Amino acid sequence: QSALTQPPSASGSPGQSVTISCTGTSSDVGGYNYVSWYQQHPGKAPKLMIYEVTKRPSGVPDRFSGSKSGNTASLTVSGLQAEDEADYYCSSYAGSNVGVFGGGTKLTVL
Amino acid sequence: QVQLVESGGGVVQPGRSLRLSCATSGFSFSDFGMRWVRQAPGKGLEWVALIWHDGTTTYYADSVKGRFTISRDNSKNTVYLQMNSLRAEDTAVYYCAKGYRVVDIWGQGTMVTVSS
Repeated sequence: QSALTQPPSASGSPGQSVTISCTGTSSDVGGYNYVSWYQQHPGKAPKLMIYEVTKRPSGVPDRFSGSKSGNTASLTVSGLQAEDEADYYCSSYAGSNVGVFGGGTKLTVL
Repeated sequence: QVQLVESGGGVVQPGRSLRLSCATSGFSFSDFGMRWVRQAPGKGLEWVALIWHDGTTTYYADSVKGRFTISRDNSKNTVYLQMNSLRAEDTAVYYCAKGYRVVDIWGQGTMVTVSS
């Protein structure tokens, strides 16, 4: 199973919005509404930020939102804050017990 | 409070074996699929193995198929990863994670280093 495609880096100034894309195929992102986004700070475990394309777990700020169009999912972080600086990974279910990750995007808050 | 605590990592020589454990608490363990995910130093995340809630079905990444075995003991709320014939490229932090299509809780990870 091929990895999903994410830009290696993204950046924005405090208060701005940034969007990270995640491109797959009709066999994963396009075929299922099971796209998740994870935030990972250095040396820490990943944290679920978005699941089932658009849903936010309890405790995740509403500055984080998800969407999907065709084979591409997106994570938008609005009102950027310093603590949002981290690596972000998308993931999709791909059927038959298969899961696939994106390569990760390093978000820098300028 | 949901908790996943991995143990069993360490330094091991190529070709040797290691068994990781993940003790869980705070949720109905037998109702959820469980996964192992790894992250090589400086690299991204990689799904390693999955086991259904009842242990009847397992799935492995091609990179570990035939060498790693995932299992669970629902009476102990614990999931395991038996790793045989370890290679240098298996060096990574290994996380256990709760969930099947949606993985919502992760452990803190345990480091496995394969080196002579």
